[in-house]
Amino acid sequence: EDQVTQSPEALRLQEGESSSLNCSYTVSGLRGLFWYRQDPGKGPEFLFTLYSAGEEKEKERLKATLTKKESFLHITAPKPEDSATYLCAVLGGQNFVFGPGTRLSVLP
Amino acid sequence: GAGVSQSPSNKVTEKGKDVELRCDPISGHTALYWYRQSLGQGLEFLIYFQGNSAPDKSGLPSDRFSAERTGGSVSTLTIQRTQQEDSAVYLCASRNAGGETQYFGPGTRLLVL
Repeated sequence: EDQVTQSPEALRLQEGESSSLNCSYTVSGLRGLFWYRQDPGKGPEFLFTLYSAGEEKEKERLKATLTKKESFLHITAPKPEDSATYLCAVLGGQNFVFGPGTRLSVLP
Repeated sequence: GAGVSQSPSNKVTEKGKDVELRCDPISGHTALYWYRQSLGQGLEFLIYFQGNSAPDKSGLPSDRFSAERTGGSVSTLTIQRTQQEDSAVYLCASRNAGGETQYFGPGTRLLVL
Protein backbone atom coordinates (compact mmCIF):
# COMPACT_ATOMS: atom_id res chain seq x y z
CA GLU A 1 0.00 0.00 0.00
CA ASP A 2 1.31 3.43 -0.97
CA GLN A 3 2.03 5.66 2.03
CA VAL A 4 3.22 9.19 2.63
CA THR A 5 4.33 10.73 5.91
CA GLN A 6 5.46 14.29 6.52
CA SER A 7 7.53 15.86 9.25
CA PRO A 8 7.44 17.96 11.24
CA GLU A 9 3.70 18.31 11.76
CA ALA A 10 4.18 22.01 12.44
CA LEU A 11 7.14 24.36 12.15
CA ARG A 12 7.62 27.90 13.37
CA LEU A 13 10.45 29.94 11.87
CA GLN A 14 11.67 33.45 12.26
CA GLU A 15 11.76 35.47 9.07
CA GLY A 16 15.03 34.66 7.31
CA GLU A 17 15.57 31.39 9.19
CA SER A 18 16.07 28.66 6.57
CA SER A 19 14.79 25.12 7.15
CA SER A 20 13.58 21.96 5.43
CA LEU A 21 10.36 19.97 5.39
CA ASN A 22 10.46 16.19 4.96
CA CYS A 23 8.21 13.87 2.97
CA SER A 24 8.86 10.14 3.29
CA TYR A 25 7.08 7.75 0.98
CA THR A 26 6.61 4.15 -0.04
CA VAL A 27 5.08 3.54 -3.44
CA SER A 28 5.01 0.86 -6.07
CA GLY A 29 6.40 2.40 -9.21
CA LEU A 30 6.70 6.12 -8.59
CA ARG A 31 5.19 8.13 -11.42
CA GLY A 32 5.69 11.43 -9.67
CA LEU A 33 6.06 13.20 -6.33
CA PHE A 34 4.21 16.46 -5.88
CA TRP A 35 4.44 19.42 -3.53
CA TYR A 36 1.48 21.71 -2.94
CA ARG A 37 0.95 24.77 -0.81
CA GLN A 38 -2.44 25.25 0.87
CA ASP A 39 -3.55 28.50 2.44
CA PRO A 40 -6.43 28.48 4.94
CA GLY A 41 -9.80 28.27 3.21
CA LYS A 42 -8.31 27.57 -0.20
CA GLY A 43 -7.55 24.59 -2.40
CA PRO A 44 -4.00 23.26 -2.72
CA GLU A 45 -1.78 25.24 -5.08
CA PHE A 46 0.66 23.26 -7.19
CA LEU A 47 4.36 23.91 -6.57
CA PHE A 48 6.54 21.13 -7.98
CA THR A 49 6.55 17.73 -9.63
CA LEU A 50 9.59 15.48 -9.24
CA TYR A 51 9.93 12.30 -11.26
CA SER A 52 13.21 10.59 -10.38
CA ALA A 53 15.81 10.37 -7.64
CA GLY A 54 18.37 13.15 -7.83
CA GLU A 55 15.99 15.60 -9.44
CA GLU A 56 15.76 19.12 -8.00
CA LYS A 57 13.41 22.01 -8.76
CA GLU A 58 13.42 25.59 -7.54
CA LYS A 59 10.91 28.39 -7.34
CA GLU A 60 11.76 31.63 -5.57
CA ARG A 61 12.72 30.68 -1.99
CA LEU A 62 11.69 27.04 -2.37
CA LYS A 63 13.72 24.08 -3.59
CA ALA A 64 12.43 20.53 -3.78
CA THR A 65 14.70 17.49 -3.92
CA LEU A 66 13.98 13.78 -4.33
CA THR A 67 15.62 10.53 -3.28
CA LYS A 68 14.31 7.00 -3.61
CA LYS A 69 12.63 7.18 -0.21
CA GLU A 70 12.00 10.82 0.57
CA SER A 71 11.70 14.36 -0.64
CA PHE A 72 12.73 17.59 1.00
CA LEU A 73 11.28 21.04 0.55
CA HIS A 74 13.99 23.52 1.44
CA ILE A 75 12.91 27.03 2.34
CA THR A 76 15.64 29.66 2.14
CA ALA A 77 15.28 32.93 4.02
CA PRO A 78 11.50 32.55 4.42
CA LYS A 79 9.11 35.47 4.63
CA PRO A 80 5.80 35.70 6.53
CA GLU A 81 3.93 35.19 3.25
CA ASP A 82 5.43 31.70 3.03
CA SER A 83 3.23 30.70 5.97
CA ALA A 84 0.93 27.90 4.80
CA THR A 85 0.43 24.15 4.97
CA TYR A 86 2.72 22.28 2.61
CA LEU A 87 1.36 19.00 1.24
CA CYS A 88 3.31 16.18 -0.36
CA ALA A 89 1.71 13.53 -2.58
CA VAL A 90 2.83 10.57 -4.64
CA LEU A 91 1.35 8.99 -7.74
CA GLY A 92 1.94 5.27 -8.15
CA GLY A 93 -0.89 3.78 -10.17
CA GLN A 94 -3.82 6.02 -11.04
CA ASN A 95 -4.52 7.50 -7.64
CA PHE A 96 -2.65 10.08 -5.62
CA VAL A 97 -1.77 9.51 -1.97
CA PHE A 98 -1.34 12.62 0.13
CA GLY A 99 0.59 13.16 3.32
CA PRO A 100 -0.97 14.98 6.29
CA GLY A 101 0.97 18.16 5.58
CA THR A 102 3.36 20.43 7.49
CA ARG A 103 1.95 23.67 8.89
CA LEU A 104 4.60 26.37 8.47
CA SER A 105 4.44 29.65 10.31
CA VAL A 106 7.01 32.35 9.54
CA LEU A 107 7.12 35.08 12.13
CA PRO A 108 8.21 38.63 11.25
CA GLY B 1 -11.78 29.07 -17.65
CA ALA B 2 -8.17 29.11 -16.58
CA GLY B 3 -8.55 26.86 -13.57
CA VAL B 4 -10.77 24.34 -11.83
CA SER B 5 -13.96 25.87 -10.46
CA GLN B 6 -16.33 24.50 -7.84
CA SER B 7 -19.77 25.50 -6.65
CA PRO B 8 -21.14 26.35 -4.27
CA SER B 9 -18.20 27.68 -2.30
CA ASN B 10 -20.10 27.09 0.94
CA LYS B 11 -23.10 24.91 1.75
CA VAL B 12 -25.00 24.62 5.02
CA THR B 13 -27.59 21.89 5.20
CA GLU B 14 -29.63 20.02 7.72
CA LYS B 15 -28.96 16.43 8.70
CA GLY B 16 -30.84 14.06 6.41
CA LYS B 17 -30.98 16.38 3.40
CA ASP B 18 -29.31 15.62 0.07
CA VAL B 19 -26.62 17.91 -1.38
CA GLU B 20 -25.02 18.27 -4.80
CA LEU B 21 -21.55 19.68 -5.30
CA ARG B 22 -20.33 20.73 -8.73
CA CYS B 23 -16.88 20.73 -10.32
CA ASP B 24 -15.84 22.30 -13.63
CA PRO B 25 -12.39 20.97 -14.56
CA ILE B 26 -9.78 22.68 -16.67
CA SER B 27 -10.83 22.51 -20.32
CA GLY B 28 -9.33 19.49 -22.04
CA HIS B 29 -8.37 17.65 -18.85
CA THR B 30 -9.56 14.08 -19.09
CA ALA B 31 -8.95 13.01 -15.49
CA LEU B 32 -11.02 14.31 -12.59
CA TYR B 33 -10.68 13.55 -8.88
CA TRP B 34 -12.80 14.24 -5.81
CA TYR B 35 -11.25 14.46 -2.35
CA ARG B 36 -12.53 15.20 1.12
CA GLN B 37 -10.54 17.20 3.66
CA SER B 38 -11.75 17.24 7.23
CA LEU B 39 -10.61 19.96 9.62
CA GLY B 40 -6.88 19.58 10.23
CA GLN B 41 -6.72 16.35 8.25
CA GLY B 42 -5.07 15.29 5.03
CA LEU B 43 -6.82 14.77 1.72
CA GLU B 44 -8.98 11.65 1.52
CA PHE B 45 -9.47 10.24 -1.98
CA LEU B 46 -13.12 9.70 -2.93
CA ILE B 47 -13.50 8.97 -6.65
CA TYR B 48 -11.56 9.22 -9.92
CA PHE B 49 -12.81 9.63 -13.49
CA GLN B 50 -10.59 9.03 -16.52
CA GLY B 51 -12.07 9.72 -19.93
CA ASN B 52 -14.83 7.27 -20.79
CA SER B 53 -13.55 4.53 -18.49
CA ALA B 54 -15.55 3.29 -15.53
CA PRO B 55 -14.79 5.51 -12.51
CA ASP B 56 -12.68 4.30 -9.61
CA LYS B 57 -15.12 4.55 -6.71
CA SER B 58 -12.89 2.80 -4.20
CA GLY B 59 -12.64 5.83 -1.90
CA LEU B 60 -16.34 6.54 -1.45
CA PRO B 61 -17.04 6.11 2.29
CA SER B 62 -20.61 4.82 1.97
CA ASP B 63 -23.40 4.24 -0.54
CA ARG B 64 -24.79 7.66 0.38
CA PHE B 65 -22.02 9.13 -1.77
CA SER B 66 -22.14 9.06 -5.56
CA ALA B 67 -20.65 11.04 -8.41
CA GLU B 68 -21.13 11.40 -12.11
CA ARG B 69 -19.33 13.14 -14.90
CA THR B 70 -21.33 14.28 -17.88
CA GLY B 71 -19.81 14.58 -21.34
CA GLY B 72 -16.34 14.05 -19.96
CA SER B 73 -16.35 17.49 -18.39
CA VAL B 74 -18.48 18.71 -15.48
CA SER B 75 -18.79 16.45 -12.46
CA THR B 76 -21.35 16.36 -9.66
CA LEU B 77 -20.76 14.77 -6.27
CA THR B 78 -24.01 13.88 -4.51
CA ILE B 79 -24.34 13.09 -0.83
CA GLN B 80 -27.68 11.63 0.19
CA ARG B 81 -29.15 11.77 3.69
CA THR B 82 -26.28 13.90 4.96
CA GLN B 83 -24.81 13.23 8.39
CA GLN B 84 -22.88 15.58 10.65
CA GLU B 85 -19.69 13.60 9.99
CA ASP B 86 -19.99 14.56 6.31
CA SER B 87 -19.02 18.12 7.26
CA ALA B 88 -15.73 18.83 5.49
CA VAL B 89 -14.18 20.60 2.53
CA TYR B 90 -14.78 18.75 -0.73
CA LEU B 91 -12.03 19.36 -3.26
CA CYS B 92 -12.01 18.62 -6.96
CA ALA B 93 -8.89 18.32 -9.10
CA SER B 94 -8.27 17.69 -12.78
CA ARG B 95 -5.32 16.35 -14.73
CA ASN B 96 -4.28 16.35 -18.35
CA ALA B 97 -4.08 12.89 -19.90
CA GLY B 98 -0.54 13.63 -21.02
CA GLY B 99 0.73 14.71 -17.64
CA GLU B 100 0.84 13.63 -14.02
CA THR B 101 0.17 16.90 -12.21
CA GLN B 102 -3.32 17.57 -10.90
CA TYR B 103 -4.70 21.04 -10.31
CA PHE B 104 -7.21 21.78 -7.59
CA GLY B 105 -10.29 23.92 -7.33
CA PRO B 106 -11.03 26.13 -4.33
CA GLY B 107 -13.26 23.55 -2.67
CA THR B 108 -16.80 23.47 -1.31
CA ARG B 109 -17.13 23.85 2.44
CA LEU B 110 -20.01 21.67 3.61
CA LEU B 111 -21.53 22.05 7.05
CA VAL B 112 -24.22 19.61 8.14
CA LEU B 113 -26.21 20.83 11.14
